[in-house]
Amino acid sequence: AQKITQTQPGMFVQEKEAVTLDCTYDTSDPSYGLFWYKQPSSGEMIFLIYQGSYDQQNATEGRYSLNFQKARKSANLVISASQLGDSAMYFCAMREMVTGGGNKLTFGTGTQLKVEL
Amino acid sequence: DAMVIQNPRYQVTQFGKPVTLSCSQTLNHNVMYWYQQKSSQAPKLLFHYYDKDFNNEADTPDNFQSRRPNTSFCFLDIRSPGLGDAAMYLCATSLKGGLETQYFGPGTRLLVL
Repeated sequence: AQKITQTQPGMFVQEKEAVTLDCTYDTSDPSYGLFWYKQPSSGEMIFLIYQGSYDQQNATEGRYSLNFQKARKSANLVISASQLGDSAMYFCAMREMVTGGGNKLTFGTGTQLKVEL
Repeated sequence: DAMVIQNPRYQVTQFGKPVTLSCSQTLNHNVMYWYQQKSSQAPKLLFHYYDKDFNNEADTPDNFQSRRPNTSFCFLDIRSPGLGDAAMYLCATSLKGGLETQYFGPGTRLLVL
C-alpha cells in the first residue's frame, strides 16, 4: 500500500521569503506520480504541481518547484517569494492506478501554511 | 473556462433524511471521483466512475451511492445521513488512464443536524 507522510502540521513564513513543505512517500510500485494540491479555507482543492517517478528533472510551475529526491523518497514543495494569498492547507498526494480505469490519490495529512507580513 | 462545478456549496440536512449532492464538469473527462474530507483530515476516495462503469472503494459504507446519468453529471446520494457523515464532499475529474491529473471542484460542505 502507498503511504504519504507530511510531518509539518503547521508552518509560518514571512511574505516574500521562500518556504519548503516536506513530503515523504512509500510505495513498491516502480511507476508513480506525486502531486501537490493547495486547499484554501474555502475548500476547493487546487492542483499545483506534478512529478512523475521517471522524470529526470524536478518539476517547476511559476513560484512552485518540487524538490524530488527519489533515493530518499521525498518530494518537497518549495514556494518562492511567498504571498499572503499562499496561506492555505497544502496536501502532498501519490497516485496509483486502480481497476476499472482512472487512478486513486492517497493524500498526506497536510501542512497548514501561514504567510505573515 | 472549463471547470468542475459542485452544487450546492453548503448543504444542511437532518439526521436520516436522504440528501443528494451534485457535480458537473465541462472538461469532457471520462472519469469522475467522489472524495469525503472530514474536518482536519485528508480527502478519502469513496468511489469513481470510469465512463459508465462504477468502481466502489472497499471501505465505502453502503449508505453512500452514486449515479452518473451522462458524461457531464455525477451525483452522490447519502441514503440516511448520520452525524458522522458531516464533511466536505469533493468531486474530481480526470481523463481516462492511470496517469492523468485529477481536477477538483469547489466542494460541498454537508452539515447533519
